[in-house]
Amino acid sequence: EDQVTQSPEALRLQEGESSSLNCSYTVSGLRGLFWYRQDPGKGPEFLFTLYSAGEEKEKERLKATLTKKESFLHITAPKPEDSATYLCAVQESKSGSARQLTFGSGTQLTVLP
Amino acid sequence: GAVVSQHPSWVICKSGTSVKIECRSLDFQATTMFWYRQFPKQSLMLMATSNEGSKATYEQGVEKDKFLINHASLTLSTLTVTSAHPEDSSFYICSALRDGGFSNQPQHFGDGTRLSIL
Repeated sequence: EDQVTQSPEALRLQEGESSSLNCSYTVSGLRGLFWYRQDPGKGPEFLFTLYSAGEEKEKERLKATLTKKESFLHITAPKPEDSATYLCAVQESKSGSARQLTFGSGTQLTVLP
Repeated sequence: GAVVSQHPSWVICKSGTSVKIECRSLDFQATTMFWYRQFPKQSLMLMATSNEGSKATYEQGVEKDKFLINHASLTLSTLTVTSAHPEDSSFYICSALRDGGFSNQPQHFGDGTRLSIL
């Protein structure tokens, strides 16, 4: 069974204090790992897709990396507007999976001014 | 692009009534849509995969007679919570996959529906 574990559950940072969020996964074969941002009362907003170990993607203050067992979301010099819950999800490469995603429980990030 | 609209955003109703939630892909066609349920401070739990022109595929433990899914067009899927009870109160979110995209493309999510059953 696919497992996706995110840590920490919650993270409070001062504005400008860089840090990383972790997503550990266990799948028989990875088709893709997805990072989403979710604001309170809203649906998830797509950030990145990573397909293979060693891949990196960047967008503004965010950088996502991938190994064979985990992914990191690095936040450089965060701002208060980066406060949100960050969700990691994996898609397994097996037939009949219908491109379903298995989500982790998320990391709730708070950036204090 | 890749906008998914969900309606209503919030609904309160009495126990025993049925509630319909709509999920529309506004600028692309979506043969496949998904319905999720999210409890406070928890992650998204997949309820069912909605397929245009065919029956939905439900996850284990999800009652298909309770949660009726209809995907009548390439841009619209509906979830009807039948005879809703307080335990059905939750945040329901849909997502859609753009037709013609690669197999590991991202899902695009609506903004969810907050359902409260009194």
